[in-house]
Amino acid sequence: LAKTTQPISMDSYEGQEVNITCSHNNIATNDYITWYQQFPSQGPRFIIQGYKTKVTNEVASLFIPADRKSSTLSLPRVSLSDTAVYYCLVGDRGNQGGKLIFGQGTELSVKP
Amino acid sequence: GAVVSQHPSWVICKSGTSVKIECRSLDFQATTMFWYRQFPKQSLMLMATSNEGSKATYEQGVEKDKFLINHASLTLSTLTVTSAHPEDSSFYICSARDPLSSYNEQFFGPGTRLTVL
Repeated sequence: LAKTTQPISMDSYEGQEVNITCSHNNIATNDYITWYQQFPSQGPRFIIQGYKTKVTNEVASLFIPADRKSSTLSLPRVSLSDTAVYYCLVGDRGNQGGKLIFGQGTELSVKP
Repeated sequence: GAVVSQHPSWVICKSGTSVKIECRSLDFQATTMFWYRQFPKQSLMLMATSNEGSKATYEQGVEKDKFLINHASLTLSTLTVTSAHPEDSSFYICSARDPLSSYNEQFFGPGTRLTVL
């Protein structure tokens, strides 16, 4: 499973766009990039997943360059409720039983 | 989306006792469930992979005789912390894969806060 590196923490203000970048230099051909969000004392929640280029859903966008060695989670117009820890994970969706190895995550703090 | 529940949401026990935590997939069948442990201000640490009808696969460093896992049905996995000690106090989270999900993502339970006195 590829190792990921993210900033430990980020600060933002309400209404701003937040971009969290994740490095995964050893990503394998079959690996997908998945982001989870975790609020204190809760289980993580799936946000978005992608393989290449750009993926967008109702919550976020995920940008993946051609070499796939990094990815950027983009949260448009954040609110106070987006304060959470965001985890970037890389792995083959089929192999190893789909297990996930969490890195340190990025603690996002949104201020009024 | 798929829902995973855990019971209890919190438990306090005395040192030396055993505690059982249940993880249920409410609206899908999960052949594989996962158990994590999370200490304050730390990331989730995978403890074991629970497979329905077979023995669990434990991650390196996790004592299988201390953390007993049973996955007796497609919707239920249990984690029993045997002879719990204060250092076992942690937030235990389970997850399950929905094989019909497009993203093959894991759905996480709300977690169980274990405090050992």
